[in-house]
Amino acid sequence: AQSVTQLGSHVSVSEGALVLLRCNYSSSVPPYLFWYVQYPNQGLQLLLKYTSAATLVKGINGFEAEFKKSETSFHLTKPSAHMSDAAEYFCAVNSGGYQKVTFGTGTKLQVIP
Amino acid sequence: DTGVSQDPRHKITKRGQNVTFRCDPISEHNRLYWYRQTLGQGPEFLTYFQNEAQLEKSRLLSDRFSAERPKGSFSTLEIQRTEQGDSAMYLCASSLEAGREQFFGPGTRLTVL
Repeated sequence: AQSVTQLGSHVSVSEGALVLLRCNYSSSVPPYLFWYVQYPNQGLQLLLKYTSAATLVKGINGFEAEFKKSETSFHLTKPSAHMSDAAEYFCAVNSGGYQKVTFGTGTKLQVIP
Repeated sequence: DTGVSQDPRHKITKRGQNVTFRCDPISEHNRLYWYRQTLGQGPEFLTYFQNEAQLEKSRLLSDRFSAERPKGSFSTLEIQRTEQGDSAMYLCASSLEAGREQFFGPGTRLTVL
């Protein structure tokens, strides 16, 4: 079985401040982990992925995430928030051998000028 | 790079009517997925194709739902006798390999009156 928990359905940060979006996963086997971003009325765009290589993963738009097996976490960070980062972010897990991806419930990021 | 496309982008229908959505995946991707996303939730897996074979279906996919991928290229999702609870965004995604990142289309937003 696989599952994802995203802590905080809404996160607000000031422009230029650190962005931290939390994700914890559950998987019976080593997982593949993903972060996606969704803008209103659009599909999901992949930000970054972890596939058992380096534990610190760098993605697009300055985002990165660190895989911590001991904490079963895959938190998303960005050093300095931009107004254009305002969107909904989804963490997702795919346990090896499963075809489907299980998504978290999402975190809406608000960036305050 | 044409990406994943979905048609229509929006569909408004009356309860009891049938609707059909189309998804065109990235051309070299042999895996195709359908998800449903309701307000405030992450995408929920509906079904998955590898080439033309439908290999997995979620229990969310009631008897009123049917999906096909006749030639292993585009796919259709049909909902018969629509209900108000079917109102959601229907997302299609494709991937090249199992467990890898999925590329999403813009979605079809269904409203059942």
